[in-house]
Amino acid sequence: GAVVSQHPSWVICKSGTSVKIECRSLDFQATTMFWYRQFPKQSLMLMATSNEGSKATYEQGVEKDKFLINHASLTLSTLTVTSAHPEDSSFYICSARNERFPPYGYTFGSGTRLTVV
Amino acid sequence: DAKTTQPTSMDCAEGRAANLPCNHSTISGNEYVYWYRQIHSQGPQYIIHGLKNNETNEMASLIITEDRKSSTLILPHATLRDTAVYYCIVRFGSGNTGKLIFGQGTTLQVKP
Repeated sequence: GAVVSQHPSWVICKSGTSVKIECRSLDFQATTMFWYRQFPKQSLMLMATSNEGSKATYEQGVEKDKFLINHASLTLSTLTVTSAHPEDSSFYICSARNERFPPYGYTFGSGTRLTVV
Repeated sequence: DAKTTQPTSMDCAEGRAANLPCNHSTISGNEYVYWYRQIHSQGPQYIIHGLKNNETNEMASLIITEDRKSSTLILPHATLRDTAVYYCIVRFGSGNTGKLIFGQGTTLQVKP
C-alpha cells in the first residue's frame, strides 16, 4: 500500500534557527501534498497545500515567509520553519494524495514533533 | 471550516461493536465522506471512505444515510487498540485540489 515517510520524527532546535522537515511518498508519485500542524489536545489544522513544480497554497492566517514549502519532485515536499520560536513548537504532519494504490485517497506521514527551546 | 459534527467522546466495551456517528448535513452531491483515526502522537490512519453506498473493509463498515446527511462508522469488534480519536471528514474541494479539513473528532475509549 501507499506509504508516506516523514523525517525527522522529532527535532529540538534553538530559538531563531530554522528547521527542515521532509515528506516523501514511497512507491507512488504525489503531485499534491499537504502540511498540517497539531497542538496538544487539538485537531489537525491544515497549513498549506504543496503543489509539485509550483508555489504552495497557504491557508488563511499561515505565514508564508515563516513556513517555507518546497515541492521540487513528485515524491518529496519539504517544510522549513524559519526563525523558529517556542510558539512554533508543535506536531507537524504531512499527507500525500495517492492515486496509485487502493485505498485511493490521502496517506499521512507519522509526524514530526518540533520543540523550540 | 469543518463540515462535520461528531460527539466529543464515546466509550465502548471490548469485544462489542463501536458505532460512531457523524452529521454532515451540508454535504454536496459529489463530496466523499472519509474516516480516519489518530492514536496518540501518530499520524492519522485511513479507515474507510464512501460516497453514497455503504462500504465495508477489513477494518470497519461505513453506513451512509440515503439523504447523505449523516453516516456511522462501525467497528464490529472493538479492541483496546482501537482506542483513538476518530475523525469524520467531508473532503473539501475535488480532484487534485481536494483537501481534508479536520474537525474535532470523537475520542473513543475502549474499556476492558
